[in-house]
Amino acid sequence: DQQVKQNSPSLSVQEGRISILNCDYTNSMFDYFLWYKKYPAEGPTFLISISSIKDKNEDGRFTVFLNKSAKHLSLHIVPSQPGDSAVYFCAASEEGAQKLVFGQGTRLTINP
Amino acid sequence: EAGVAQSPRYKIIEKRQSVAFWCNPISGHATLYWYQQILGQGPKLLIQFQNNGVVDDSQLPKDRFSAERLKGVDSTLKIQPAKLEDSAVYLCASSQGLAGVYEQYFGPGTRLTVT
Repeated sequence: DQQVKQNSPSLSVQEGRISILNCDYTNSMFDYFLWYKKYPAEGPTFLISISSIKDKNEDGRFTVFLNKSAKHLSLHIVPSQPGDSAVYFCAASEEGAQKLVFGQGTRLTINP
Repeated sequence: EAGVAQSPRYKIIEKRQSVAFWCNPISGHATLYWYQQILGQGPKLLIQFQNNGVVDDSQLPKDRFSAERLKGVDSTLKIQPAKLEDSAVYLCASSQGLAGVYEQYFGPGTRLTVT
């Protein structure tokens, strides 16, 4: 039972353009969502998060949007840079659970 | 601030052998997690410790996997005996364990290959 789904295994974007990574979830008890970035041979690193009481959170070039009714969130990267090439994981947590459920990941490639 | 440390970084063993992984979390982090990441998939939680007590081990294959957290700091994860399907990256993560703080910090992982 995949509670968090990232349906696009890979995404290729031109440098300077917008990258949009999508994530869907099925568990209505999830109330906190996070995006992690992973380079090869390294562990995932925290990127940005959003609470279910918000519908948008912004940090520099990174913005996360949450649509609770659709159980969907997305990560926007503007403008995309070559260093953004990595695997991006969406993760979710229930209130107070301190436990994360991860999606399968999307490999983002930024082309010069 | 030092990050999460893991060793070894790579391990190759034959099936039915045993193997152990070590993790040292970020200083002061009360909660420690072990994840299994199979190629092409996201990390899957195996076990969660709060200080030196187990909070969740529902996805740990207890017939072959065991884990402990010594004195609420370092942790070891053991597999005995290993199977081919245990080939994966084993990630350790830690968090402050405070209410409303969800961010976890990951180590570099141990890549296990079972032949």
